[in-house]
Amino acid sequence: KQEVTQIPAALSVPEGENLVLNCSFTDSAIYNLQWFRQDPGKGLTSLLLIQSSQREQTSGRLNASLDKSSGRSTLYIAASQPGDSATYLCAVPNDYKLSFGAGTTVTVRA
Amino acid sequence: DTAVSQTPKYLVTQMGNDKSIKCEQNLGHDTMYWYKQDSKKFLKIMFSYNNKELIINETVPNRFSPKSPDKAHLNLHINSLELGDSAVYFCASSQQGGAYNSPLHFGNGTRLTVT
Repeated sequence: KQEVTQIPAALSVPEGENLVLNCSFTDSAIYNLQWFRQDPGKGLTSLLLIQSSQREQTSGRLNASLDKSSGRSTLYIAASQPGDSATYLCAVPNDYKLSFGAGTTVTVRA
Repeated sequence: DTAVSQTPKYLVTQMGNDKSIKCEQNLGHDTMYWYKQDSKKFLKIMFSYNNKELIINETVPNRFSPKSPDKAHLNLHINSLELGDSAVYFCASSQQGGAYNSPLHFGNGTRLTVT
């Protein structure tokens, strides 16, 4: 059974600092890994999807890396802004559905 | 244009009632899902349909019944509501192949409160 863990559960940083969010999964035989952002009272927005053959994926200030052998992915957000405050979730496919981590709630202080 | 839309956004009802949540996607996707997010923010799959056929049915009480009239719609009907059903319910969709091939697109959620 695939289990996805995100540590820490919450993170508070001053504006401008780089963010590092961690995601680990127990079964390394994954097809892809997806990072989402969830704002309070809103749905999830897909940020990045890394295929199992890729080691990283970039979109603007976001960079996600994937190390299948160690069962880890890291989401880097450069030069954080208050607008980056949200909950970030990672997810991996498992029997045609996504298994989610519990998320890391980020607060960027102005 | 909203890609995945759910109605209603909020639903407050009493125990024992029956209620429905509707979901529509205009992305042309083949696969649709219902997820439940509990008070601890943990997301769990409930159901998945591919081209109107049920492909995932997790351990969900049979008071919950999904219905997909066509591949753009997936509705959730809940009978005899209980306090523990209070949660946020998210609809999502993806291209054929589901989570293995393409990103999921989520609706904004329906916050259900059972009193």
